Amino acid sequence: DGGITQSPKYLFRKEGQNVTLSCEQNLNHDAMYWYRQDPGQGLRLIYYSQIVNDFQKGDIAEGYSVSREKKESFPLTVTSAQKNPTAFYLCASKGALWYGYTFGSGTRLTVV
Amino acid sequence: GQQLNQSPQSMFIQEGEDVSMNCTSSSIFNTWLWYKQDPGEGPVLLIALYKAGELTSNGRLTAQFGITRKDSFLNISASIPSDVGIYFCAGPHNNAGNMLTFGGGTRLMVKP
Repeated sequence: DGGITQSPKYLFRKEGQNVTLSCEQNLNHDAMYWYRQDPGQGLRLIYYSQIVNDFQKGDIAEGYSVSREKKESFPLTVTSAQKNPTAFYLCASKGALWYGYTFGSGTRLTVV
Repeated sequence: GQQLNQSPQSMFIQEGEDVSMNCTSSSIFNTWLWYKQDPGEGPVLLIALYKAGELTSNGRLTAQFGITRKDSFLNISASIPSDVGIYFCAGPHNNAGNMLTFGGGTRLMVKP
């Protein structure tokens, strides 16, 4: 079955360390997105990519970086420059034929 | 830019009650999507609406595309504990076909 997979589900890191969150999809979707969600809050766009080897900053890109070397993969790195990295991170993808996004199940990052 | 305003922000209801929530915008949308996010998971599409005035059901859920194309409504009948979660409305961004605009979400809590 096609889908979008985020790993790991839970991640703990010490303050000051960079950490990379994985997002893989086998839906053959061109566009992929990263969102941040704080407790009880809505979705805030971090980065998005419309095509391989190209990506754009979203509303809250500071302290984050991404790469898109393969169509299937869009990893997100949370750097030590991100002041408050503890949050729930959601990855999504979108195909060419329909408006809707398919979301992964999320990664909960806790920085201690 | 385009914004979607959802209300109420949160609801705490008794099991068995009906629920109504809405999503409004100052801009016209040609498609409305409703997603549900279970606690600790990614959002999942519930209903898609494509035509002004359209009324679409999915089990106990019914959604309507407002006549003005600036609003949409979601109703849940006879709520059950598993209806708990955050409900998001979304619509395609006018100037960027691959982007969805999301509302801030309505958080639903159901008391057994």
